[in-house]
Order: sequence, then C-alpha cells, then structure tokens
Amino acid sequence: GDSVTQMEGPVTLSEEAFLTINCTYTATGYPSLFWYVQYPGEGLQLLLKATKADDKGSNKGFEATYRKETTSFHLEKGSVQVSDSAVYFCALIPNNAGNMLTFGGGTRLMVKP
Amino acid sequence: KAGVTQTPRYLIKTRGQQVTLSCSPISGHRSVSWYQQTPGQGLQFLFEYFSETQRNKGNFPGRFSGRQFSNSRSEMNVSTLELGDSALYLCASRSGGIDTGELFFGEGSRLTVL
Repeated sequence: GDSVTQMEGPVTLSEEAFLTINCTYTATGYPSLFWYVQYPGEGLQLLLKATKADDKGSNKGFEATYRKETTSFHLEKGSVQVSDSAVYFCALIPNNAGNMLTFGGGTRLMVKP
Repeated sequence: KAGVTQTPRYLIKTRGQQVTLSCSPISGHRSVSWYQQTPGQGLQFLFEYFSETQRNKGNFPGRFSGRQFSNSRSEMNVSTLELGDSALYLCASRSGGIDTGELFFGEGSRLTVL
C-alpha cells in the first residue's frame, strides 16, 4: 500500500541554520504531496503542496520539490527561526482518493536561539 | 472566519464504554474527515464524509463509526472502548469536490481510556 517515510527527530538546530527534512514515498501512479506543520497546542496546518512531478511547493521560506525519479519530497529552509519549532509531517493523497491523506511519522524540529 | 471546532477537547473514559466526538467544520465546507493520532501509529485516516455520505473509510474496526448531518457537522463514535483507543482524534474540513486536499484541521479531542 501507499506509505510515507520521513527522518526521525528530533532535529535540533541553531537559529539561522539550514534545514532539510527528508521525505520519501511509495505510491502507485502520481500522488499529490504535502507538508503539514503542527505547532505546540495547535492543529495541523498545510505548509505547502505539489501535485505533479517537478512541481515546487513553497511557503514561509520553506520549499519542497516533487521528485518522481527518487520518489522524494524533501523539505528545506535556508534560515530557520525559533518560531519554526514544530512537528512537520510529510503526506500524500493517491490519485482520486479525496481526503485520504497518508502521513509520515512526523519530525520534531527544535530551533535554539 | 471560525476554524474547525472539536468538542470535547479532553475526555477520560474506561474500557468498555462508548464515546461520541463532535466536529463543526468551517462554514461552507461540506467535506469532513477524521484522523487518529497516536505516538505509536502516527496519524491514520479514519473516514471521510461529504454531503452526509461516507466517501472513504480507513482500516479501522467496526467499533469506529461516524456520521454527518445536513449542516455538515460530523460526529464519530467509538464503542466498547479499548486501552489502545487512547489518542488524539483530529477532524478536518474542506470545501468539497475531488481536488487536492488543503484540509483545515481542528485542535483535536484527546481521549484517554483507563
């Protein structure tokens, strides 16, 4: 079945450091790919998405590129801030699957001043 | 615009009891989905409703059920509770249709089963 694998955390970085959170997926066809973020005490929020190969999703300084050849959707940010501390989830929706998101296990990011 | 509202936020039950959780979607949203979040299994899809009809169902036993009302509000019910049902239950809404899901999540209902 479909699955998403992301690097385990926690990832601890100093402010202004470069961030990469790896995400790879297994799915048939061409799924849509997402990154969701969960800040402490809050619900999940969509961070960015990409719906076809080579698309780049971006938001709030975060970027991720849909790589069909490596089945990856790695999240990157050039300079993290303390306010980016949160849990990040990579997810996919298979073709024509409505709202059936398949999530990775989540990666906790801690940014220290 | 009010977000997705889930009630209750916290509840404690004992094994064998049943529980009903409620979700009010964003005004105008017709699609509601439910997810279970646990430390061991992560986030798992439970079911999705659109215009009062169940559109998809995840791999959960029949003890887990749901419904959606004509005003798009949704409830989920878990009967004969087990310790393993302790989790954060998240509701998400979307305007509808078969597009590629920006889901808006509520803060969740945290269920503890003793």
